[in-house]
Amino acid sequence: KNEVEQSPQNLTAQEGEFITINCSYSVGISALHWLQQHPGGGIVSLFMLSSGKKKHGRLIATINIQEKHSSLHITASHPRDSAVYICAVNGDGATNKLIFGTGTLLAVQP
Amino acid sequence: DAGVTQSPTHLIKTRGQHVTLRCSPISGHKSVSWYQQVLGQGPQFIFQYYEKEERGRGNFPDRFSARQFPNYSSELNVNALLLGDSALYLCASSPGTGGFGGNQPQHFGDGTRLSIL
Repeated sequence: KNEVEQSPQNLTAQEGEFITINCSYSVGISALHWLQQHPGGGIVSLFMLSSGKKKHGRLIATINIQEKHSSLHITASHPRDSAVYICAVNGDGATNKLIFGTGTLLAVQP
Repeated sequence: DAGVTQSPTHLIKTRGQHVTLRCSPISGHKSVSWYQQVLGQGPQFIFQYYEKEERGRGNFPDRFSARQFPNYSSELNVNALLLGDSALYLCASSPGTGGFGGNQPQHFGDGTRLSIL
């Protein structure tokens, strides 16, 4: 079993829909990251959080430390949101080692 | 300011050869981490370097090595290449090692796509 699990693995949505991607982890963490990866490889950091909720534009990330669960929400989805969304955790606060989930491939259709 | 830059962007090698991948962090960032991403999987941690010292190592064989230079740029070396080394190699930089629970966002380069024939 992977230390970081994401669901769903694939997601197709219509433009304008509200999207939720879930992440569960089984290790103790010091921080959780949500990342976006476009075809071709480049990774962009969306959020880093260790408690509560963060919002940036149409993106919202929440984390429940007790339940070891995080969600990434996209409101009013748009085709340009199509990408792979990856959840990663810092299991060790002394280094920047990230443990990654396998990602969620999101396709938003116009 | 320039982001994290990696070179080369693409590379084709044959089994048994060695390869050197390069990474320049964001100006002022002292920590560089390397990750391997095999097609269809999430990245796997290989190394972290901070202030020219290895601060973390993932579960990779000794064929993988790295170093960090005084200007904080870094090289990843892989010897005796195997077909399974074909992957996207990502470099990420952050301001510091994040000790004492001070985790920091990591800034990723676009990666080097390595193909082994």
